[in-house]
Amino acid sequence: DGGITQSPKYLFRKEGQNVTLSCEQNLNHDAMYWYRQDPGQGLRLIYYSQIVNDFQKGDIAEGYSVSREKKESFPLTVTSAQKNPTAFYLCASSIDGGELFFGEGSRLTVL
Amino acid sequence: KNQVEQSPQSLIILEGKNCTLQCNYTVSPFSNLRWYKQDTGRGPVSLTIMTFSENTKSNGRYTATLDADTKQSSLHITASQLSDSASYICVVESGGSYIPTFGRGTSLIVHP
Repeated sequence: DGGITQSPKYLFRKEGQNVTLSCEQNLNHDAMYWYRQDPGQGLRLIYYSQIVNDFQKGDIAEGYSVSREKKESFPLTVTSAQKNPTAFYLCASSIDGGELFFGEGSRLTVL
Repeated sequence: KNQVEQSPQSLIILEGKNCTLQCNYTVSPFSNLRWYKQDTGRGPVSLTIMTFSENTKSNGRYTATLDADTKQSSLHITASQLSDSASYICVVESGGSYIPTFGRGTSLIVHP
């Protein structure tokens, strides 16, 4: 079945560690996105990519990094520079900025 | 700045009752408006899309309306079920942009 797969679903990190969240899609979509969701708040855009080997910062990119070496993959690294990384992270894709197809999310907790 | 405002922030209703969620937007240029449903701990899923020329669209027990003049949309849920408990997010797409504007969502709880 076509869709977006995020892993891991749950992740625990010690302060000062970098962690990488995986996002893979087999929908053949050009655009991919990373959003952060905190309790009681809306989705905030971290990074997005319209095409392979190109990506743009969103509203809250500080402390995060991404790569887009393949059309299917858009991993997100949460670096130690991110001061408050505990959150629910959602990856999404779309054909051309239209309907977003989301993964099941990754919940990151900093110990 | 493009903005999407949703109300109420949260809503509790009894099973079988109807409810209406509101969305006001200031997004230009307007392309489409979507309502997404997000179950707890899951990713959002699109319920319905409204284009500029559409006033009403139904998807089962969900009916969305759009008034492009007043820049308002509503999502009406009929005969609510326990499975309707979720967050409902209004998202407005802007022509030529890959970045839609999200509302904060309305958290709906349906009690038996």
